Amino acid sequence: RKEVEQDPGPFNVPEGATVAFNCTYSNSASQSFFWYRQDCRKEPKLLMSVYSSGNEDGRFTAQLNRASQYISLLIRDSKLSDSATYLCVVRGSNYKLTFGKGTLLTVNP
Amino acid sequence: NAGVTQTPKFQVLKTGQSMTLQCAQDMNHNSMYWYRQDPGMGLRLIYYSASEGTTDKGEVPNGYNVSRLNKREFSLRLESAAPSQTSVYFCASFISGANVLTFGAGSRLTVL
Repeated sequence: RKEVEQDPGPFNVPEGATVAFNCTYSNSASQSFFWYRQDCRKEPKLLMSVYSSGNEDGRFTAQLNRASQYISLLIRDSKLSDSATYLCVVRGSNYKLTFGKGTLLTVNP
Repeated sequence: NAGVTQTPKFQVLKTGQSMTLQCAQDMNHNSMYWYRQDPGMGLRLIYYSASEGTTDKGEVPNGYNVSRLNKREFSLRLESAAPSQTSVYFCASFISGANVLTFGAGSRLTVL
């Protein structure tokens, strides 16, 4: 089983839609979780960390379910500028940082 | 500007040639990483260094070597390049206190 598995997508949604991405991880000792955003041919950039209690940043909500070993990202009221690849990242206890394959989101006018 | 600097940005090699990708960070981060990114494959970890003086293999270490020269610098070496190593390589650094992984701009390597 891969260490981090992510919805393959791609997702094509209209502006204003709500879209959710999921990611599962295999190591129950994983310590930190993140969502990164990557625009075409650019380096990934931190979108948000994921906390046990769930956290929100504007239109973005991240959740962690340790019992089921998955994290999720919800984007509400999608904008054209949200079009990008979304990557989940899991940190192990030894500072190993593993990425999911990424999910491509295209928001259409 | 503070951040992660990797060089070169572009490189074309012939099969069998060697080269070193350089990476330096000036944020006093403890951990550094090398990833490769291929279409449809996401970012795959090649090697990482949790702290100065340590290095560990990631998912795809074969054909690569690394050196954590000091706290700032982490280099990736291809001893005998193969076409399968054609990829975009990203260096990154991480500090647990801030919980932020910061990337360099990437190095595009083509092996003919």
